[in-house]
Amino acid sequence: EIVLTQSPATLSLSPGERATLSCGASQSVSSSSLAWYQQKPGLAPRLLINDASSRATGIPDRFSGSGSGTDFTLTISRLEPEDSAVYYCQQYGSSPITFGQGTRLEIK
Amino acid sequence: EVQLVESGGGLVQPGGSLRLSCVASGFSFSTYWMHWVRQAPGKGPVWVSRINSDGSSVYYADSVKGRFTISRDNAQNTLYLQMNSLRAEDTAVYYCVRLNAYWGQGTLVTVSS
Repeated sequence: EIVLTQSPATLSLSPGERATLSCGASQSVSSSSLAWYQQKPGLAPRLLINDASSRATGIPDRFSGSGSGTDFTLTISRLEPEDSAVYYCQQYGSSPITFGQGTRLEIK
Repeated sequence: EVQLVESGGGLVQPGGSLRLSCVASGFSFSTYWMHWVRQAPGKGPVWVSRINSDGSSVYYADSVKGRFTISRDNAQNTLYLQMNSLRAEDTAVYYCVRLNAYWGQGTLVTVSS
């Protein structure tokens, strides 16, 4: 099973700043089969990025994904108050599908 | 508009059973693999099970193997999860998921005496 480790656990930034969230895999994620989700309280996770760098439909271009192999990054440029949420990475290249433990992003 | 609507959650005693349903609309349900993912309170999501498009192949997380059964009825656009021998650690919101695309709103399963 591929273990995904996200860092930092919590990130506190101001509106307009850039957020960089990391996701490290215990072994190589095949075909860059990695997704990023945003989750707000009481709601289901919302897909932001799949295939490591492809934005999902309707996701603003402030959100971008990069990386391959064992190291992946979600970057949110020009933070807005509504970006406050927990962000999860997920790999789907190997069974079982696994998720990271999440990064909580707070907007000051 | 794509919709995944789960139902069937509730409060059940340890050792009991529940059957979750997920009705899909807005896409060609019969052509997609489908998954169940759960999320315990305050924790991250955990993948539970998946089924291929015609129901001939299923796969489970080790934590539920032998206790849970995933199935589907493509004529009714419905995904199921039969959960038996429930334990306290199965308490979670259960989501019906079309991977890397759509999630339902979830249904809460609480296992407690």
